[in-house]
Formats: sequence, C-alpha cells, structure tokens
Amino acid sequence: NAGVMQNPRHLVRRRGQEARLRCSPMKGHSHVYWYRQLPEEGLKFMVYLQKENIIDESGMPKERFSAEFPKEGPSILRIQQVVRGDSAAYFCASSQVTGGGEAFFGQGTRLTVV
Amino acid sequence: GEDVEQSLFLSVREGDSSVINCTYTDSSSTYLYWYKQEPGAGLQLLTYIFSNMDMKQDQRLTVLLNKKDKHLSLRIADTQTGDSAIYFCAEFYNTDKLIFGTGTRLQVFP
Repeated sequence: NAGVMQNPRHLVRRRGQEARLRCSPMKGHSHVYWYRQLPEEGLKFMVYLQKENIIDESGMPKERFSAEFPKEGPSILRIQQVVRGDSAAYFCASSQVTGGGEAFFGQGTRLTVV
Repeated sequence: GEDVEQSLFLSVREGDSSVINCTYTDSSSTYLYWYKQEPGAGLQLLTYIFSNMDMKQDQRLTVLLNKKDKHLSLRIADTQTGDSAIYFCAEFYNTDKLIFGTGTRLQVFP
C-alpha cells in the first residue's frame, strides 16, 4: 500500500507560467488536504477536499489558486501566473475519515519560481 | 481562532529525555498529532492521541494531553542524534482541517 504520492518532487516555473501539483492519496482515503510551507516556517492550511467537492478553502488565496479532486485521478493544485512569492513547498495529506484519524503526508512538491 | 503554539528551539544531550510542549485552541479537537520533519523532507506522522485519552505511550514516545489547559506534550526518552529534526504539533480544528504549530527545532548534541 503506497503512501501519499506527490509529483513532481521539484518544479521550476518562470514568472507568469502555470504550476500544476498532483497528489494521489493513500488507497482507501477520500479526504485530501493541501498545505504550503515557506522556508523556515510551519505549514499553512490551504484547502480541504473530498471526492468532487471542496469542503473548506479558507486558506486558499482568492486569485490564481484553485484545487480539485475529481472522481477519478489525483487531486490537483493549480497556480496560475506564478510569482516569486509562490516559491514554497506544497504538501498534500490524506485521511480515511473526516475530523481526524491517521493523516499522512506526501513528500511534497518544491516549487521554485524564477 | 486557530492558533497552535510551540517553543521554537530545544537542545538536549544525547541519552537525555526531550520534552516538547504545545498549546492549542480548539477545545472540541478530536485528534491531536505530533509530526517530525527532517531537513528537505516531508512530514512523518509520529503519533496521535484521541481527545478522550490523557496519555499514550509508543516505545520511546510518550504523549500527555491536558484538555483543561489545552496542553499537549511529547516526551522522547533516550534521545538520539537521529531525533534531531523539527517537531510539529497539530490539532484537527473544527473537525475540518489540521492546524499546525510553528514547529520546535530539536537539536541533540553528543
């Protein structure tokens, strides 16, 4: 049973390009969470999704950022027109139940905007 | 509000015990967690405790929960150099999302 898989591990984008980050949750997990970690800082919640639904996007910037978790396939975090300030590590976590239980993280995608 | 607080640094000698403390905000949190992050790596789930427990032990790790004071601690017995990392406390806030503390950087010296 593979863990939470994120790809790519490293992503370099020029300012103004789009970044697409993928997260495949653990088998049997239908709850996905995205977090952003700036260098030397903690993790900031961005969005919580269940299959085909966004449950809580209170941590997501209103512009340029979007997330989805389709019925089939991985969850996608999309950042349009990236800026230098988007450079960070983006982590995805999954859990089997709502409200807690074992929540496992992927290895993260490190986005660098040049 | 959503606020989980931890001290930023802890330095211990190899073989001693480490105690990392955390205070959280949501009294209705059902689960509280400890994660470990090594440089350049993801977060490793170390242990978690359900809110109706006040203690959980797992090999060298002991978690204590004081619900009245909303205080959580992680004790690492016989701390090793391989335990050097950042340790994050997290709560499931509003049964909706994991909220993390700022992390405690544990440094173990010989």
